[in-house]
Amino acid sequence: DGGITQSPKYLFRKEGQNVTLSCEQNLNHDAMYWYRQDPGQGLRLIYYSQIVNDFQKGDIAEGYSVSREKKESFPLTVTSAQKNPTAFYLCASSIAGSPGTQYFGPGTRLLVL
Amino acid sequence: AQSVTQPDIHITVSEGASLELRCNYSYGATPYLFWYVQSPGQGLQLLLKYFSGDTLVQGIKGFEAEFKRSQSSFNLRKPSVHWSDAAEYFCAVGASIGGGADGLTFGKGTHLIIQP
Repeated sequence: DGGITQSPKYLFRKEGQNVTLSCEQNLNHDAMYWYRQDPGQGLRLIYYSQIVNDFQKGDIAEGYSVSREKKESFPLTVTSAQKNPTAFYLCASSIAGSPGTQYFGPGTRLLVL
Repeated sequence: AQSVTQPDIHITVSEGASLELRCNYSYGATPYLFWYVQSPGQGLQLLLKYFSGDTLVQGIKGFEAEFKRSQSSFNLRKPSVHWSDAAEYFCAVGASIGGGADGLTFGKGTHLIIQP
């Protein structure tokens, strides 16, 4: 079955630690996205990538980094510079040029110890 | 910049009753509009979308939405809700024909509670 997978489902971060969230898709989509979801805040765009080896900052990129070395993969690193990382992180993908029809993964919940 | 407002944080509806969730958007050109649904601890599922043409769009699970340009609204409706419809609903707007590749702007969501 085609879809988007995110791992792990739950992730714990210690103070000062960088952690990486995985996102993989087998839909052959060109574009991929990372959103952060906080209670009562909706989803906010962190980073997006329209093509391999290229990515753009979204509305809340500070304290995060990404890479796009393969079409299928778009990992997100939450760095120690992100002071409030506790949130639900959602990865999505879409066909390039298909406005907004994004398909979402199941999400990763990041908690700080 | 575009924005989306969902005025109702929570809505409670009796099972079998009709439902309308409100969404207002702000965008200078013709928007691309979407409704997504999220069950607790899960990702988002697309219910329906509007790009152009007929302003009444049909989606999955018996939902429909109507685009009203004069009111800058894209309200979601269902004639008879089921207990399984209890979830968080998000309205979103895409910026342009390239909006899909630039990310969506989401409202803060409406939490739907179904009473037996």
